[in-house]
Amino acid sequence: GAVVSQHPSWVICKSGTSVKIECRSLDFQATTMFWYRQFPKQSLMLMATSNEGSKATYEQGVEKDKFLINHASLTLSTLTVTSAHPEDSSFYICSAREQQGAISQPQHFGDGTRLSIL
Amino acid sequence: SQQGEEDPQALSIQEGENATMNCSYKTSINNLQWYRQNSGRGLVHLILIRSNEREKHSGRLRVTLDTSKKSSSLLITASRAADTASYFCATDATGYSGGYQKVTFGIGTKLQVIP
Repeated sequence: GAVVSQHPSWVICKSGTSVKIECRSLDFQATTMFWYRQFPKQSLMLMATSNEGSKATYEQGVEKDKFLINHASLTLSTLTVTSAHPEDSSFYICSAREQQGAISQPQHFGDGTRLSIL
Repeated sequence: SQQGEEDPQALSIQEGENATMNCSYKTSINNLQWYRQNSGRGLVHLILIRSNEREKHSGRLRVTLDTSKKSSSLLITASRAADTASYFCATDATGYSGGYQKVTFGIGTKLQVIP
Protein backbone atom coordinates (compact mmCIF):
# COMPACT_ATOMS: atom_id res chain seq x y z
CA GLY A 1 0.00 0.00 0.00
CA ALA A 2 0.86 3.66 -0.16
CA VAL A 3 3.46 4.70 2.39
CA VAL A 4 4.12 8.16 3.74
CA SER A 5 7.28 8.74 5.70
CA GLN A 6 7.44 11.63 8.14
CA HIS A 7 10.67 12.72 9.76
CA PRO A 8 11.65 13.34 12.48
CA SER A 9 9.37 11.42 14.82
CA TRP A 10 10.03 13.73 17.72
CA VAL A 11 11.89 16.92 18.36
CA ILE A 12 12.80 18.68 21.56
CA CYS A 13 14.39 22.07 21.19
CA LYS A 14 14.79 25.45 22.78
CA SER A 15 12.44 28.36 22.28
CA GLY A 16 13.37 30.45 19.26
CA THR A 17 14.64 27.52 17.20
CA SER A 18 13.23 26.80 13.75
CA VAL A 19 12.24 23.21 13.13
CA LYS A 20 11.78 21.52 9.77
CA ILE A 21 9.56 18.48 9.34
CA GLU A 22 9.68 16.39 6.17
CA CYS A 23 6.89 14.40 4.63
CA ARG A 24 7.67 11.97 1.81
CA SER A 25 5.45 9.73 -0.25
CA LEU A 26 7.60 6.66 -0.84
CA ASP A 27 5.80 4.70 -3.52
CA PHE A 28 3.42 7.12 -5.16
CA GLN A 29 3.32 10.65 -6.44
CA ALA A 30 1.39 12.99 -4.20
CA THR A 31 -0.16 15.89 -6.03
CA THR A 32 -1.54 17.15 -2.74
CA MET A 33 -0.15 17.03 0.76
CA PHE A 34 -1.85 18.13 3.93
CA TRP A 35 -0.44 19.31 7.23
CA TYR A 36 -2.39 18.80 10.44
CA ARG A 37 -1.91 19.69 14.04
CA GLN A 38 -3.34 17.59 16.83
CA PHE A 39 -3.61 18.50 20.48
CA PRO A 40 -3.91 15.79 23.13
CA LYS A 41 -7.22 13.93 22.97
CA GLN A 42 -8.47 16.12 20.16
CA SER A 43 -9.10 15.72 16.47
CA LEU A 44 -6.85 16.74 13.64
CA MET A 45 -6.94 20.39 12.73
CA LEU A 46 -6.02 21.09 9.14
CA MET A 47 -3.32 23.73 8.96
CA ALA A 48 -2.66 23.94 5.26
CA THR A 49 -2.96 22.18 1.95
CA SER A 50 -0.06 22.16 -0.44
CA ASN A 51 -0.10 21.30 -4.11
CA GLU A 52 3.13 20.51 -5.88
CA GLY A 53 4.64 23.54 -7.51
CA SER A 54 2.25 26.10 -6.06
CA LYS A 55 1.83 28.04 -2.87
CA ALA A 56 0.19 26.37 0.06
CA THR A 57 -3.36 27.22 1.04
CA TYR A 58 -3.53 28.00 4.73
CA GLU A 59 -6.56 27.58 6.95
CA GLN A 60 -7.97 30.55 8.75
CA GLY A 61 -5.97 31.42 11.82
CA VAL A 62 -2.78 29.69 10.70
CA GLU A 63 0.12 32.08 10.28
CA LYS A 64 1.83 31.42 6.97
CA ASP A 65 4.98 33.21 8.08
CA LYS A 66 5.11 31.04 11.16
CA PHE A 67 4.48 27.73 9.44
CA LEU A 68 6.36 27.69 6.15
CA ILE A 69 5.33 24.98 3.74
CA ASN A 70 7.25 23.93 0.68
CA HIS A 71 6.08 21.28 -1.79
CA ALA A 72 8.93 21.25 -4.26
CA SER A 73 8.35 17.81 -5.74
CA LEU A 74 5.63 15.21 -6.11
CA THR A 75 7.13 13.18 -3.28
CA LEU A 76 8.25 15.74 -0.73
CA SER A 77 6.65 18.47 1.33
CA THR A 78 8.25 20.24 4.26
CA LEU A 79 6.80 22.20 7.15
CA THR A 80 9.09 24.62 8.94
CA VAL A 81 7.99 25.99 12.29
CA THR A 82 9.91 29.23 12.49
CA SER A 83 11.10 30.68 15.79
CA ALA A 84 9.16 28.04 17.69
CA HIS A 85 7.76 28.82 21.13
CA PRO A 86 6.26 26.56 23.81
CA GLU A 87 2.74 27.16 22.52
CA ASP A 88 3.81 25.56 19.23
CA SER A 89 4.39 22.28 21.02
CA SER A 90 2.04 19.77 19.48
CA PHE A 91 1.73 16.65 17.36
CA TYR A 92 2.09 17.49 13.67
CA ILE A 93 0.89 15.01 11.07
CA CYS A 94 1.24 15.11 7.33
CA SER A 95 -0.76 13.23 4.77
CA ALA A 96 -0.54 12.76 1.04
CA ARG A 97 -3.06 12.03 -1.62
CA GLU A 98 -2.57 10.66 -5.09
CA GLN A 99 -4.99 11.91 -7.68
CA GLN A 100 -6.13 9.24 -10.09
CA GLY A 101 -8.46 10.44 -12.77
CA ALA A 102 -11.78 11.59 -11.41
CA ILE A 103 -11.85 9.29 -8.45
CA SER A 104 -11.16 10.73 -5.02
CA GLN A 105 -8.48 8.86 -3.20
CA PRO A 106 -8.01 8.50 0.54
CA GLN A 107 -5.23 10.29 2.33
CA HIS A 108 -2.21 8.34 3.49
CA PHE A 109 -0.73 9.56 6.73
CA GLY A 110 2.74 9.80 8.14
CA ASP A 111 3.34 8.68 11.71
CA GLY A 112 3.48 12.23 12.97
CA THR A 113 6.09 14.42 14.62
CA ARG A 114 5.88 15.26 18.28
CA LEU A 115 7.33 18.71 18.78
CA SER A 116 8.24 19.91 22.26
CA ILE A 117 9.57 23.42 22.69
CA LEU A 118 11.25 24.15 26.00
CA SER B 1 -15.53 24.13 13.04
CA GLN B 2 -15.58 20.38 12.75
CA GLN B 3 -17.64 18.95 9.92
CA GLY B 4 -17.98 15.47 11.30
CA GLU B 5 -19.09 14.60 14.77
CA GLU B 6 -18.60 11.09 16.04
CA ASP B 7 -20.81 9.49 18.58
CA PRO B 8 -20.10 8.18 21.15
CA GLN B 9 -16.91 10.01 22.09
CA ALA B 10 -15.75 7.01 24.07
CA LEU B 11 -16.78 3.37 24.01
CA SER B 12 -15.63 0.45 26.13
CA ILE B 13 -16.63 -3.10 25.23
CA GLN B 14 -15.58 -6.67 25.90
CA GLU B 15 -13.55 -8.59 23.38
CA GLY B 16 -15.82 -10.44 20.98
CA GLU B 17 -18.60 -7.85 21.12
CA ASN B 18 -19.49 -5.60 18.23
CA ALA B 19 -18.63 -1.90 18.30
CA THR B 20 -20.72 0.69 16.51
CA MET B 21 -19.63 4.27 15.99
CA ASN B 22 -21.65 6.96 14.32
CA CYS B 23 -20.70 10.07 12.43
CA SER B 24 -22.86 13.02 11.46
CA TYR B 25 -21.93 15.80 9.10
CA LYS B 26 -23.43 19.02 7.89
CA THR B 27 -22.65 19.77 4.27
CA SER B 28 -22.87 17.81 1.04
CA ILE B 29 -20.02 15.42 0.49
CA ASN B 30 -18.38 13.46 -2.29
CA ASN B 31 -17.22 10.72 -0.01
CA LEU B 32 -16.73 9.84 3.63
CA GLN B 33 -13.73 8.09 5.07
CA TRP B 34 -13.04 6.28 8.30
CA TYR B 35 -9.61 6.29 9.86
CA ARG B 36 -8.06 4.68 12.87
CA GLN B 37 -5.37 6.20 15.09
CA ASN B 38 -3.34 4.41 17.68
CA SER B 39 -2.12 6.61 20.51
CA GLY B 40 0.68 8.90 19.40
CA ARG B 41 0.69 7.63 15.84
CA GLY B 42 -0.55 8.73 12.46
CA LEU B 43 -3.87 7.74 10.98
CA VAL B 44 -4.55 4.56 9.09
CA HIS B 45 -7.18 4.63 6.37
CA LEU B 46 -9.89 2.01 6.87
CA ILE B 47 -12.67 2.55 4.37
CA LEU B 48 -13.80 5.17 1.87
CA ILE B 49 -17.47 5.21 0.94
CA ARG B 50 -18.69 7.39 -1.90
CA SER B 51 -21.83 9.46 -1.75
CA ASN B 52 -23.64 7.13 -4.16
CA GLU B 53 -22.88 4.07 -2.04
CA ARG B 54 -24.96 2.96 0.93
CA GLU B 55 -22.88 0.20 2.46
CA LYS B 56 -19.37 -1.11 2.26
CA HIS B 57 -17.55 -4.01 3.86
CA SER B 58 -13.91 -4.70 4.56
CA GLY B 59 -13.11 -7.73 6.67
CA ARG B 60 -14.71 -7.17 10.07
CA LEU B 61 -15.62 -3.61 9.20
CA ARG B 62 -18.96 -2.49 7.86
CA VAL B 63 -19.68 1.11 6.95
CA THR B 64 -23.04 2.56 6.08
CA LEU B 65 -23.85 5.96 4.64
CA ASP B 66 -27.18 7.75 4.70
CA THR B 67 -26.85 10.96 2.75
CA SER B 68 -30.44 11.97 3.50
CA LYS B 69 -29.64 12.00 7.20
CA LYS B 70 -26.05 13.11 6.65
CA SER B 71 -24.77 10.29 8.79
CA SER B 72 -22.52 7.27 8.63
CA SER B 73 -21.79 4.36 10.92
CA LEU B 74 -18.79 2.12 11.39
CA LEU B 75 -19.39 -1.36 12.76
CA ILE B 76 -16.53 -3.51 13.96
CA THR B 77 -17.67 -7.08 14.46
CA ALA B 78 -16.12 -9.59 16.85
CA SER B 79 -13.87 -6.94 18.33
CA ARG B 80 -10.35 -7.69 19.48
CA ALA B 81 -8.10 -6.03 22.02
CA ALA B 82 -5.96 -4.87 19.10
CA ASP B 83 -8.90 -2.81 17.84
CA THR B 84 -8.38 -0.43 20.75
CA ALA B 85 -7.75 2.95 19.15
CA SER B 86 -9.43 6.22 18.24
CA TYR B 87 -11.63 6.18 15.18
CA PHE B 88 -12.30 9.26 13.08
CA CYS B 89 -14.65 9.96 10.25
CA ALA B 90 -13.61 12.44 7.61
CA THR B 91 -15.70 14.07 4.95
CA ASP B 92 -14.44 15.06 1.54
CA ALA B 93 -16.35 18.01 0.19
CA THR B 94 -14.52 18.34 -3.10
CA GLY B 95 -13.65 15.84 -5.75
CA TYR B 96 -11.08 15.74 -8.50
CA SER B 97 -12.65 18.67 -10.27
CA GLY B 98 -12.21 20.86 -7.24
CA GLY B 99 -9.11 22.96 -7.30
CA TYR B 100 -8.97 22.91 -3.54
CA GLN B 101 -9.25 19.57 -1.84
CA LYS B 102 -10.20 19.54 1.77
CA VAL B 103 -10.99 16.71 4.12
CA THR B 104 -12.48 17.59 7.47
CA PHE B 105 -12.12 15.30 10.47
CA GLY B 106 -14.55 14.71 13.28
CA ILE B 107 -13.59 14.66 16.93
CA GLY B 108 -13.25 10.91 17.05
CA THR B 109 -14.49 7.97 19.08
CA LYS B 110 -12.07 6.41 21.52
CA LEU B 111 -12.67 2.67 21.53
CA GLN B 112 -11.37 0.41 24.25
CA VAL B 113 -11.71 -3.34 23.82
CA ILE B 114 -11.20 -5.18 27.06
CA PRO B 115 -9.61 -8.63 26.73
